Amino acid sequence: EVQLVESGGGLVQPGGSLRLSCAASGFTFSSYWMHWVRQAPGKGLVWVSRINSDGSSTSYADSVKGRFTISRDNAKNTLYLQMNSLRAEDTAVYYCARNGQDGGLGYWGQGTLVTVSS
Amino acid sequence: SYELTQPPSVSVSPGQTARITCSGDALPKQYAYWYQQKPGQAPVLVIYKDSERPSGIPERFSGSSSGTTVTLTISGVQAEDEADYYCQSADSSGTVFGGGTKLTVL
Repeated sequence: EVQLVESGGGLVQPGGSLRLSCAASGFTFSSYWMHWVRQAPGKGLVWVSRINSDGSSTSYADSVKGRFTISRDNAKNTLYLQMNSLRAEDTAVYYCARNGQDGGLGYWGQGTLVTVSS
Repeated sequence: SYELTQPPSVSVSPGQTARITCSGDALPKQYAYWYQQKPGQAPVLVIYKDSERPSGIPERFSGSSSGTTVTLTISGVQAEDEADYYCQSADSSGTVFGGGTKLTVL
């Protein structure tokens, strides 16, 4: 069974940093592109970042470019999102998702809440 | 990056057909995907590559594409289909979601 479990969320002050993790199991993690998607309270889904299967290529939404870094450790079956210079508008539930061979995000974690507030 | 535009809301009575549209200039060149999200839950992929249905998704869910618009059709809507629906597409630079459509079953 495919499982994605996010962790690392919490309350952080504006300007602070946080690292999210997504532990993957039930599939060959190193074969799949992975994404981070966020959802502010009461709002829609917003794509944040993606990384290819071996970690050599990454892409970011303009809103996080230069502040967030996506990475992965295929030996540990774990996806990461390093978030720096956090702003109030980064407050959201952050989901990790697996990019399927069909191009869709077929598997999602349960999400982890990040709250940026003083 | 480009944008995908969805209507904020669609309402239908049980048993009727719901159609949710998604418009974007890149859609003639890129596949579209559709997700269902119920309150407090993670999104679920219901349509991939414009019109394909993943295993386990009821046959009443279908997708189509015409020019710059893709459409999610739910035939014989049931109360359990009440949810938010998002379209999504991707290109070499990234991925984008539509703003979402709240489907209300009257």
